[in-house]
Amino acid sequence: NAGVTQTPKFQVLKTGQSMTLQCAQDMNHEYMSWYRQDPGMGLRLIHYSVGAGITDQGEVPNGYNVSRSTTEDFPLRLLSAAPSQTSVYFCASRDYRQGNEQFFGPGTRLTVL
Amino acid sequence: QQQVKQSPQSLIVQKGGISIINCAYENTAFDYFPWYQQFPGKGPALLIAIRPDVSEKKEGRFTISFNKSAKQFSLHIMDSQPGDSATYFCAAILTGGGNKLTFGTGTQLKVEL
Repeated sequence: NAGVTQTPKFQVLKTGQSMTLQCAQDMNHEYMSWYRQDPGMGLRLIHYSVGAGITDQGEVPNGYNVSRSTTEDFPLRLLSAAPSQTSVYFCASRDYRQGNEQFFGPGTRLTVL
Repeated sequence: QQQVKQSPQSLIVQKGGISIINCAYENTAFDYFPWYQQFPGKGPALLIAIRPDVSEKKEGRFTISFNKSAKQFSLHIMDSQPGDSATYFCAAILTGGGNKLTFGTGTQLKVEL
């Protein structure tokens, strides 16, 4: 089991560029989510999905899009990167029917210049 | 609106001492309270969790104390070790309400020799 994997590990973008952060899990978890982590702010939920084809907004969804075409993958798209999106991004998954432990990926550190 | 408030923001403890991190929540419907541990460059990992029908849960050197009437819970690390140096997040879940994790802002713990 690889668990939750994220690519890339590091990324530098220029303002206005778009990109996709990849997330995959091999635990057959229905629930997947994206967080951003900023100093002093904790982890804030961007978007989440309770299963393939179902997504919903979290606390800070503006500027981000998601889709969930398969159980395994949950990519996060930055439409037009802004310096305020400089952050560390974590993907997580959980089998909420089997308990509440949430498994996190290793993170993507994004810098927007 | 910060639904889970965590303090202190940082903490320095001597080796062998007790580390105490406190959290307070607002939503009385939260029904699961996990603590996550995060080492630099890694994603958070579940450390210990408690449900509100229990006042205390202990796993090794880690103990959660829960005060339902005060809407507070705390993490105690007994015999703190340098290897415990990490960032700790408390969190809360409303399992019947979208299963979204709400995190505190984090406590950076340093255990000195």
